[in-house]
Amino acid sequence: DAGVTQSPTHLIKTRGQQVTLRCSPKSGHDTVSWYQQALGQGPQFIFQYYEEEERQRGNFPDRFSGHQFPNYSSELNVNALLLGDSALYLCASSLMAGPQHFGDGTRLSIL
Amino acid sequence: AQKITQTQPGMFVQEKEAVTLDCTYDTSDPSYGLFWYKQPSSGEMIFLIYQGSYDQQNATEGRYSLNFQKARKSANLVISASQLGDSAMYFCAMREPQGGSEKLVFGKGTKLTVNP
Repeated sequence: DAGVTQSPTHLIKTRGQQVTLRCSPKSGHDTVSWYQQALGQGPQFIFQYYEEEERQRGNFPDRFSGHQFPNYSSELNVNALLLGDSALYLCASSLMAGPQHFGDGTRLSIL
Repeated sequence: AQKITQTQPGMFVQEKEAVTLDCTYDTSDPSYGLFWYKQPSSGEMIFLIYQGSYDQQNATEGRYSLNFQKARKSANLVISASQLGDSAMYFCAMREPQGGSEKLVFGKGTKLTVNP
């Protein structure tokens, strides 16, 4: 039973570029949430997708956008990258009110 | 306002001893859930234990137990018989179901070091 898988594991970009991160949820899960974790901090909620719709959004600018596909997989897009966007990006999946299960994350470095 | 507070940036424990990691929370919603996650240096967030606000008994999962004191708004994690592999960051998180969403709010974490 595959857990949550994220790709890529590491990514290096420069300021102003755009990036797309991908997430496949745990089998049977229908809800995907994205979190940003800066160094030394707890994860911060970016947004959550359910039935291909953004259900709730955290305090992140519009440069952060996402998508959920019919197979429940999801993408996180970040435009006009800033140095402060360097972080570990975590994807979590869940079913109904069950606990969220996280992937290993994508480490994004902005030069 | 900070909703999850973990006051211990770092904790040390001897192997085979028990350790308690503190977590206090703040919410006005009567329905909420509390979670603990473990994050090794590799970065993955591993779900450990869950406590619902209406649960009458404290949650337990193997060596992990949650000391839930609702009136004090605390949800401390107790790890019994610590092992070297328990060394990691530990995060307390709260879920407030708002508009059907299940967003998690995390504390800043506690770094646990288990000494041999």
